[in-house]
Amino acid sequence: DIQMTQSPSSLSASIGDRVTFTCRASRAISNFLAWYQQKPGKAPKFLIYGASNLETGVPSRFSGSGSGTDFTFTISSLQPEDIGTYYCQQYDSLPWTFGQGTKVEVK
Amino acid sequence: QLQLHESGPGLVKPSGTLSLTCTVSGGSLSSSHWWSWVRQAPGKGLEWIGEIYESGSTNYNPSLTSRVIMSIDKSKNQFSLRLSAVTDADTAVYYCAREKVVVPAVYFDYWGQGSLVTVSS
Repeated sequence: DIQMTQSPSSLSASIGDRVTFTCRASRAISNFLAWYQQKPGKAPKFLIYGASNLETGVPSRFSGSGSGTDFTFTISSLQPEDIGTYYCQQYDSLPWTFGQGTKVEVK
Repeated sequence: QLQLHESGPGLVKPSGTLSLTCTVSGGSLSSSHWWSWVRQAPGKGLEWIGEIYESGSTNYNPSLTSRVIMSIDKSKNQFSLRLSAVTDADTAVYYCAREKVVVPAVYFDYWGQGSLVTVSS
């Protein structure tokens, strides 16, 4: 299985801050990576595929980058509604695997 | 708008079998998609359990494959999960989800609201 490791596990930032966190794959996965946002008590919401392609309707303040084993997710200006936990997911090979999540909180 | 809804017992005894059904509305299971189950233990991350295609073909997570059976009933627009020999480690919120395939991308674009299953005597 491909192990996905996210860091940090949590972060605290102020509204308007630029927020960045990472996801690392245990082996190279090209750009076969998706990102999800999950709010407490809710199902995950799909945001990005192909490491950097935003799903239709996802705010442009969200972005992703990376290839191979190292990936980054960025929120250019943190908004109150962005609070939640973000997960990366690889789709290079079965079984599909997720990172353990990065929890984003407001300072 | 596609909607998925999980249903099934919220409490299962240890060594018993967990059974959940996902009902799809606003769309068809016969739409060339894979359909998945994903679970989330309390306070933990997401774990993919397995997937089923409209033809009945399946792929399971190797960590669970000996205990998992998925099935599909296109006439009812439902697919199901059975997980046998459960322990308290199987206590989790279970989500059903649709896989969107935009080759080579495979991601989960629609999710159910989740169903909490507790394993306890």
